[in-house]
Amino acid sequence: EVQLVESGGGLVQPGRSLRLSCVASGFIFDDYAMHWVRQGPGKGLEWVSGISWNSGSIGYADSVKGRFTISRDNAKNSLYLQMNSLRAEDMALYYCAKASGHILKYYYMDVWGKGTTVTVSS
Amino acid sequence: EIVLTQSPGTLSLSPGERATLSCRASQSLTSNYLAWYQQKPGQAPRLLIYGASSRATGIPDRFSGSGSGTDFTLTISRLEPEDFAVYYCQHYGSSPDDFGQGTKLEIK
Repeated sequence: EVQLVESGGGLVQPGRSLRLSCVASGFIFDDYAMHWVRQGPGKGLEWVSGISWNSGSIGYADSVKGRFTISRDNAKNSLYLQMNSLRAEDMALYYCAKASGHILKYYYMDVWGKGTTVTVSS
Repeated sequence: EIVLTQSPGTLSLSPGERATLSCRASQSLTSNYLAWYQQKPGQAPRLLIYGASSRATGIPDRFSGSGSGTDFTLTISRLEPEDFAVYYCQHYGSSPDDFGQGTKLEIK
């Protein structure tokens, strides 16, 4: 069964850091690009960041550029999101999503994890 | 950057009725790289349609997608109780991967 399991969310003060992880199973992880998508309380979906199969291509939403860093470890079937300088507006449910192909463009998100919640509050 | 605008914001219908959801792009989409997702309360989004009109694996044939260029439609031919949810369109032909703001389909 194809599965994505996120972890690492929690309560963090504004300005602090948090690292999210996503462990994949049931498919050949290093064949596919991966994404982080977030959803603020009562809000819609917002793409956060994506990374190609070999980490050669990476993209960020303008709202997180310079503060968040996406990475992957294909040997561990894992995707990461390092979030620094967190703000109240970063508070959301963060989903890990598998792309249907190996690069960032031209491939939709065909598998989603259940998400991990990030709360930013003093 | 391409902006996707979904309409209506909320659609109130009864089971058995036909639902038509719209997604309009601010500029013509490359090769119809348009997907639709369904999200039920407390659940992750689920892929319904990709390539504007191809159904994802396991999606019932009452769901259909159509359109090209800037105007796209998700149609649910005959609503089942489990179809009441929020629906998002997404353009995946460029980075960033933009989502529409969503249409909430609620029971009338």
